[in-house]
Amino acid sequence: AQTVTQSQPEMSVQEAETVTLSCTYDTSESDYYLFWYKQPPSRQMILVIRQEAYKQQNATENRFSVNFQKAAKSFSLKISDSQLGDAAMYFCALIQNTGGFKTIFGAGTRLFVKA
Amino acid sequence: KAGVTQTPRYLIKTRGQQVTLSCSPISGHRSVSWYQQTPGQGLQFLFEYFSETQRNKGNFPGRFSGRQFSNSRSEMNVSTLELGDSALYLCASSLAAGWAKNIQYFGAGTRLSVL
Repeated sequence: AQTVTQSQPEMSVQEAETVTLSCTYDTSESDYYLFWYKQPPSRQMILVIRQEAYKQQNATENRFSVNFQKAAKSFSLKISDSQLGDAAMYFCALIQNTGGFKTIFGAGTRLFVKA
Repeated sequence: KAGVTQTPRYLIKTRGQQVTLSCSPISGHRSVSWYQQTPGQGLQFLFEYFSETQRNKGNFPGRFSGRQFSNSRSEMNVSTLELGDSALYLCASSLAAGWAKNIQYFGAGTRLSVL
């Protein structure tokens, strides 16, 4: 069975500093995607970044980047130049090609940003 | 373009009742997925619909059901409500034009409280 593990329930970062959120996963499939979603207090889930498993190059979206280690099944999110608006719950997610979408989410990491 | 719309935003029911939640996907999106979010279990996949057919299903009892209409709008029904069904129910839509087009966009959710 596929699993997604986020071992850090909470993280804290100083404004303008860099923080890394960890995620490990397990799947027997070779074809899958990985995502990081952000859920602010308003509770609307927002896609932060995604990574195709077949791509070796790490995805980057402005201040957000990932460190994708396929062999280790690790998918961490790095947030650079943290801003107050980055404070939210962050979810790591795995989606496999099962003929449709079935997304498995991690438990989430709550990120606090200190001014 | 309007986002994913979920109605109602809040709902209070009593045990034993049934409830129907609605989700209108982004225009042009044909895939709709449903998730249950609770503090204890996190985000759990319920089911996914594409072109009025259920393609994937999570590990939930038969009391949880759904359907999708020809205009891609989807409804989720929970019968014989239990206290443990209290949760935030999230809907997500996707183009589903192909495996690579699987970015899901989430609605703000329906908060269901069962008394």
